Amino acid sequence: DGGITQSPKYLFRKEGQNVTLSCEQNLNHDAMYWYRQDPGQGLRLIYYSQIVNDFQKGDIAEGYSVSREKKESFPLTVTSAQKNPTAFYLCASKPAGVLYGYTFGSGTRLTVV
Amino acid sequence: ELKVEQNPLFLSMQEGKNYTIYCNYSTTSDRLYWYRQDPGKSLESLFVLLSNGAVKQEGRLMASLDTKARLSTLHITAAVHDLSATYFCAVEPNTGNQFYFGTGTSLTVIP
Repeated sequence: DGGITQSPKYLFRKEGQNVTLSCEQNLNHDAMYWYRQDPGQGLRLIYYSQIVNDFQKGDIAEGYSVSREKKESFPLTVTSAQKNPTAFYLCASKPAGVLYGYTFGSGTRLTVV
Repeated sequence: ELKVEQNPLFLSMQEGKNYTIYCNYSTTSDRLYWYRQDPGKSLESLFVLLSNGAVKQEGRLMASLDTKARLSTLHITAAVHDLSATYFCAVEPNTGNQFYFGTGTSLTVIP
C-alpha cells in the first residue's frame, strides 16, 4: 500500500545533539512538508520541498535543516541551535496540482532529555 | 500576516446533539481542507473543498465553504462518542504553495 512512513515514532535528544527524523513516501508525490505541532496548538511549517534538490523555509525554519536528494525522501535534522525542540513532528506529501490535500505520516514525537 | 481562526477551541456536547465548528481565514482562497486528529495520532483527511459554495458530507459530518465570506463550517449532526477528536481546518492561498492550519477544535462527545 502507498503511504508516508516516518521514523522513529519516539526520539529522545540530549542537549547539544543533532538528530535526524526520517520521512519516506511511495506515493510518487512531488511536494513534501515538515510541520511541528506543540501541545494544544495547530501546525507550523518548518520546511517544504516541491521538487528534488530544492526546498524552502517555512515559518519556523531556524534550528532545522532538510535535504531532498530523492523524490521519495525528505529527512529533517533538528540541530543544537533549536533551543526548544520538544514537539510532535509531522511529515506530509502532496501531488502536483490544486485538487489534492496533504497525506500525513504517523508523526515523530521528539523529547529533549 | 495570514490568519486561520477556528471557534470554538473546545467543544463538549452530548450525544445526539447538533453543533457547528467555524473556520475563518484572512486570505483569498478557493481551497479549504478539514482534518481530524485523534490523541497522539497523525491527521486524517476529512474533506477537500475547492470552490465557493462547495458542500461535502460524510456520515454525521458536513463541511461547506463560502469563499466570499472567507468562512468554512463543519456541521456535526446527532453526535456520537466516536466523533470525539480534534478537528483542524487548513487553507491554501490562491497564490501560495503551502497550507495554513487553524489552531484546532477539540471536540468531546459525552454519552
